[in-house]
Amino acid sequence: EIVLTQSPDFQSVTPKEKVTITCRASQSIGSSLHWYQQKPDQSPKLLIKYASQSISGVPSRFSGSGSGTDFTLTINSLEAEDAATYYCHQSSSLRTFGQGTKVEIK
Amino acid sequence: QMQLVQSGPEVKKPGTSVKVSCKASGFTFTSSAMQWVRQARGQRLEWIGWIVVGSGNTNYAQKFQERVTITRDMSTSTAYMELSSLRSEDTAVYYCAAGGDLGVWGQGTLVTVSS
Repeated sequence: EIVLTQSPDFQSVTPKEKVTITCRASQSIGSSLHWYQQKPDQSPKLLIKYASQSISGVPSRFSGSGSGTDFTLTINSLEAEDAATYYCHQSSSLRTFGQGTKVEIK
Repeated sequence: QMQLVQSGPEVKKPGTSVKVSCKASGFTFTSSAMQWVRQARGQRLEWIGWIVVGSGNTNYAQKFQERVTITRDMSTSTAYMELSSLRSEDTAVYYCAAGGDLGVWGQGTLVTVSS
């Protein structure tokens, strides 16, 4: 099973600040890495697919990069509505999720 | 618009089974893959398995291999996830999601396992 490890587990951030979340895979997964946002009591929402492909309707401040084993989700100029837990997910070999990164607004 | 609507909450006794449904609309169900994910309260998302709707081929996480069955009914654009031999640790919200990238999600179904 491919293990995804996110860092940090928790981040407290001021509005307009830049947020960087990393996801490391236990073996190479190419670009088969997706990012989701989940707010309390809501279903997850796809933010970025295949490491860096943007999704229609998702604000442009969300971007993704990386390949192989190391991936990054970047939120430029954080807004209050971005308070959520963010998960990475790999679709290279069966499927697994990272443990999540909770982003709190200061 | 693309939408997945799941069945309502369930309360089950340990050792029994539960079957959750997921009705799709707004996209071509027969060309899609339907996946199931669960989340215990305060825990991470956990992938259960998926079905390629057109072929009926399935793939399950090893953890659930012996207890889960995912099926679909193309006539009603509905996918199903049945989990057997329920235990308290199976108490969670179960989600269906469509596509290889999990681009569309259902609203979730709370399954509570309690004696």
